[in-house]
Amino acid sequence: QVQLQQSGPGLVKPSQTLSLTCAISGDSVSRNNAAWNWIRQSPSRGLEWLGRTYYRSKWFNDYAVSVKTRITINPDTSKNQFSLQLNSVTPEDTAVYYCSREGVAGKFDLWGQGTLVTVSS
Amino acid sequence: DIQVTQSPSSLSASVGDRVTITCRASQSIASHLNWYQHKPGRAPKLLIYAASNLQSGVPSRFSGSGSGTDFTLTISSLQPEDFATYCCQPSYITPYAFGQGTKLEIK
Repeated sequence: QVQLQQSGPGLVKPSQTLSLTCAISGDSVSRNNAAWNWIRQSPSRGLEWLGRTYYRSKWFNDYAVSVKTRITINPDTSKNQFSLQLNSVTPEDTAVYYCSREGVAGKFDLWGQGTLVTVSS
Repeated sequence: DIQVTQSPSSLSASVGDRVTITCRASQSIASHLNWYQHKPGRAPKLLIYAASNLQSGVPSRFSGSGSGTDFTLTISSLQPEDFATYCCQPSYITPYAFGQGTKLEIK
């Protein structure tokens, strides 16, 4: 059964770094026709795409303009997972964070369970 | 960047009704548009991909149409489990965006 399992803290202090991990089972982070994304959802912004990592003979990343200076998404082939780091967080980064698999047609066809991350002191 | 505008932002309907939600892209995206259903406390669920293709396991009362800049999601006969928020997502090129969502409520 293919699934994504998220892990990471639910509370982060302002100015610190948000770190989440998404473990993949039943698929491979290195698969040539998939991409691995992070998306967040908040009442004020709705669903917001943050970025992705994918392998096409080498590793690539794409990031949203709104977080481009603060975000890093890394694959970990040894553990078949990928991670999100978002630096210098503020209360505006409070949201439910999802990891998701992107398949053909750019469709997000598999999602993690979601992690509510609150930025607060 | 490609932006999308959904309408309406909210909709009240009854079980058995036919409902249509519209998504307009800021530029032509051919058929590169996907639709999702989102319920509170749950991950979004893919319904339609590439404008009109039903994702495996999704009931046939859901359908999608359109190309270029104008797209629609139709639910032919609302069921109680369909009351949720629906979002469109253009998949033509990154950075990806999502529509602001249409909240479908019980009348």
